[in-house]
Amino acid sequence: TQLLEQSPQFLSIQEGENLTVYCNSSSVFSSLQWYRQEPGEGPVLLVTVVTGGEVKKLKRLTFQFGDARKDSSLHITAAQPGDTGLYLCAGTRNSGGSNYKLTFGKGTLLTVNP
Amino acid sequence: DARVTQTPRHKVTEMGQEVTMRCQPILGHNTVFWYRQTMMQGLELLAYFRNRAPLDDSGMPKDRFSAEMPDATLATLKIQPSEPRDSAVYFCASGGYRDREGGYGYTFGSGTRLTVV
Repeated sequence: TQLLEQSPQFLSIQEGENLTVYCNSSSVFSSLQWYRQEPGEGPVLLVTVVTGGEVKKLKRLTFQFGDARKDSSLHITAAQPGDTGLYLCAGTRNSGGSNYKLTFGKGTLLTVNP
Repeated sequence: DARVTQTPRHKVTEMGQEVTMRCQPILGHNTVFWYRQTMMQGLELLAYFRNRAPLDDSGMPKDRFSAEMPDATLATLKIQPSEPRDSAVYFCASGGYRDREGGYGYTFGSGTRLTVV
């Protein structure tokens, strides 16, 4: 059973379109992170959200943490080919000494066509 | 920018051989993770260390995998004997520092692509 479910699994869109990807769980997370991974490289941290209901913006990317801290979304406005990549969400839970443990979803593979 | 360095970048080996992957975490980071990534399973946590002490290695097949951190500048992941099903990209990540948002920040290496034939 995957602790973090991401949807959609694959997304192919045209340049200029908007999109939203989701990260859902039945568990509460103390913090949630979004990463982008390009072929042949490791994931790169985009943002961390820690407060329920929090919204953060990073240029054309908007990240939201659910009120109950069980889910998150990533919205991209006017997507560009440079946004192409695997978007991963990852969470940490307050669980004794395991609050450093980072658990990943399987990711959304985004392709933005010129 | 500080980097997590992994070696080798690519490794092709025959089934039954020992494989050792190395990771140099960022100086000052006190948490080190080993992950394995495959198309089917995504990123799976194999083991992680805090201040060089193993905190959790429940994701690792104990009979063939071992992870150590002999000093603060080196983490190793060994597979002995290797099997074709071990073919994957293995990532090391270091962190455990508080980032500006208050969460824990982590930096990944570029990975070791392992192929066992």
